[in-house]
Amino acid sequence: DGGITQSPKYLFRKEGQNVTLSCEQNLNHDAMYWYRQDPGQGLRLIYYSQIVNDFQKGDIAEGYSVSREKKESFPLTVTSAQKNPTAFYLCASSTGVLYGYTFGSGTRLTVV
Amino acid sequence: GEDVEQSLFLSVREGDSSVINCTYTDSSSTYLYWYKQEPGAGLQLLTYIFSNMDMKQDQRLTVLLNKKDKHLSLRIADTQTGDSAIYFCAERMDSSYKLIFGSGTRLLVRP
Repeated sequence: DGGITQSPKYLFRKEGQNVTLSCEQNLNHDAMYWYRQDPGQGLRLIYYSQIVNDFQKGDIAEGYSVSREKKESFPLTVTSAQKNPTAFYLCASSTGVLYGYTFGSGTRLTVV
Repeated sequence: GEDVEQSLFLSVREGDSSVINCTYTDSSSTYLYWYKQEPGAGLQLLTYIFSNMDMKQDQRLTVLLNKKDKHLSLRIADTQTGDSAIYFCAERMDSSYKLIFGSGTRLLVRP
């Protein structure tokens, strides 16, 4: 079955560390996205990529970095420059406009 | 500008109908979506409507679109406890891959 997989489901980060969240899809979708969700709030766009080797900043890109070396993969690195990284991170992919996005199951990142 | 607004909370009794409302500001929106998020999970696409439609029905779900007022609603008939979740509306502007999401409406279904 095709789908989008995020790992790990839970991640703990110490102060000053960089961590990388994985997002892999086998849907052959061109576009991929990273969103951050805080309690009681909506989704805020971090980065998105419409094709391989190209990506654009979203609304809250500071303190994050991405790469898109393969169509299937769009990893997100939360750097030490992100001062408040504790949140639920959602990855999504899409193709065309008809069906919206397909979301992964999310990664919950906690700073300890 | 790009902005999607939803009320934060809705509580209904099991078996009643639920109506979740959404307003958007960009008149160039071409596709509008409703997503459901259960606790600790990703978002699941429930239904979508094209901007040239007024209504779409899919089993217990009815979507109404009022383009003049930029108002979108999702009606869930015979609401069940399993419908308790957060519901997001989202709009897509013409020729863009990006979706703009509302802040979500938490639906609580009481037994």
